[in-house]
Amino acid sequence: ETGVTQTPRHLVMGMTNKKSLKCEQHLGHNAMYWYKQSAKKPLELMFVYSLEERVENNSVPSRFSPECPNSSHLFLHLHTLQPEDSALYLCASSPSGLAPQYFGPGTRLLVL
Amino acid sequence: DQQVKQNSPSLSVQEGRISILNCDYTNSMFDYFLWYKKYPAEGPTFLISISSIKDKNEDGRFTVFLNKSAKHLSLHIVPSQPGDSAVYFCAASEEGGSEKLVFGKGTKLTVNP
Repeated sequence: ETGVTQTPRHLVMGMTNKKSLKCEQHLGHNAMYWYKQSAKKPLELMFVYSLEERVENNSVPSRFSPECPNSSHLFLHLHTLQPEDSALYLCASSPSGLAPQYFGPGTRLLVL
Repeated sequence: DQQVKQNSPSLSVQEGRISILNCDYTNSMFDYFLWYKKYPAEGPTFLISISSIKDKNEDGRFTVFLNKSAKHLSLHIVPSQPGDSAVYFCAASEEGGSEKLVFGKGTKLTVNP
C-alpha cells in the first residue's frame, strides 16, 4: 500500500467514549500532521510531529491526545469529546525542507 | 483573522476554457505557496507549489502565478476539463519550511461539459 492511509474512514461516538484514529504513511517522510476540517472553515492544524517529536500544538483541547510511536505511524486518541468536535480529521506527512504535505483520505467523525 | 483568503466560494467554467482561481494573503513572511485539489470523501491532493523567489511555476495544464507586492497568487487551469471539478485550496507557509501550512477556505470549481 502506498501514500497516506487513515482508519477508520467513518466514526460515530458518544461523548463518554474513548476512541483512536490511526494514520500510516508509506512515503518515507519524517514529519506527520493532524488537521481538523469543520464545515465552512479552513483546514486547522492541530499537531505536528517531526522525527517523532511533537514540535507544534496549536492550543488543542486536552481531550485530543496525539501519539507518534515511529516516523510511519500517528495516532489521535479521543476522549470525552463534544458535539462541536464533529469534523473531518485529516492526517498528512511530508519530507523535511521546502516540500508539500501529502494527505490521507480523512476520518469523518460524528460526536453524538 | 484569516491570513489566507479565497474570496470566491465557487467558480463555474465551460470545458476547454481557462479557469482562474485566486488567493490573497496578509502575512508578508509567507514564502512558500501551494495549491491543493479536493474531491468529496477524499483528502486534499497536492497540485503545484511556488516559492517566493519565483513569480511563475508551470506543470502541464496548471500554472501558478505569484505577485508578492500585491500578496496575491492565482492558479490557472487551461484547458479546463470536467474532471477538474473539485474544491481548490490555497495554502502558504513561512520561514522557508512547509511544516506550518495556513489554508484558505477553498473555491469549488465546476467545469461544465
